[in-house]
Amino acid sequence: GAGVSQSPSNKVTEKGKDVELRCDPISGHTALYWYRQRLGQGLEFLIYFQGNSAPDKSGLPSDRFSAERTGESVSTLTIQRTQQEDSAVYLCASSLAWDTQYFGPGTRLTVL
Amino acid sequence: AQSVTQPDIHITVSEGASLELRCNYSYGATPYLFWYVQSPGQGLQLLLKYFSGDTLVQGIKGFEAEFKRSQSSFNLRKPSVHWSDAAEYFCAVGAAGTASKLTFGTGTRLQVTL
Repeated sequence: GAGVSQSPSNKVTEKGKDVELRCDPISGHTALYWYRQRLGQGLEFLIYFQGNSAPDKSGLPSDRFSAERTGESVSTLTIQRTQQEDSAVYLCASSLAWDTQYFGPGTRLTVL
Repeated sequence: AQSVTQPDIHITVSEGASLELRCNYSYGATPYLFWYVQSPGQGLQLLLKYFSGDTLVQGIKGFEAEFKRSQSSFNLRKPSVHWSDAAEYFCAVGAAGTASKLTFGTGTRLQVTL
């Protein structure tokens, strides 16, 4: 079946603008995760949704970052008033409950 | 707090040679352990995972990894490397039995010489 998809694949924005990144998880996957990968670094956890439970927001670096998920479907990661240090690849993953996380191709965000 | 250490930032091997990528983890309970590969411009692909049972796990593309609880290690191995294995490899740890965030190592970049 279809894998995790993310859009846009690339986003260039100016400092101070807001951006929205979208993730479509694998159908039926109850858990959805957002990670950030800065150039040359590993992945940093941002936020995690599991079913109808309150999301785990412990990885969000500031209050400029927020995410929503509608039921067990699409999620949107929003970054307000973008800064240059927000430049990174943002990766989304989904999983069946506690099972393996499957990753999307990512959105490369460049803040000028 | 859980953590993962990949001590080798960059490794170069000749095609046909054997490969071992090191991964050490710190976790207070039973860990779930993963190896992912990221090729240039590609997303993360799962190579293999350890949840429980046999400590030697087989994955895709001829990779295997061995879980050694006493050493807190989960090293990735391949007996004969192919040029197409050149990529970045990430070890990750998660909580057993529950959906939760993964903690990733900083990755090991593998270069394969012909």
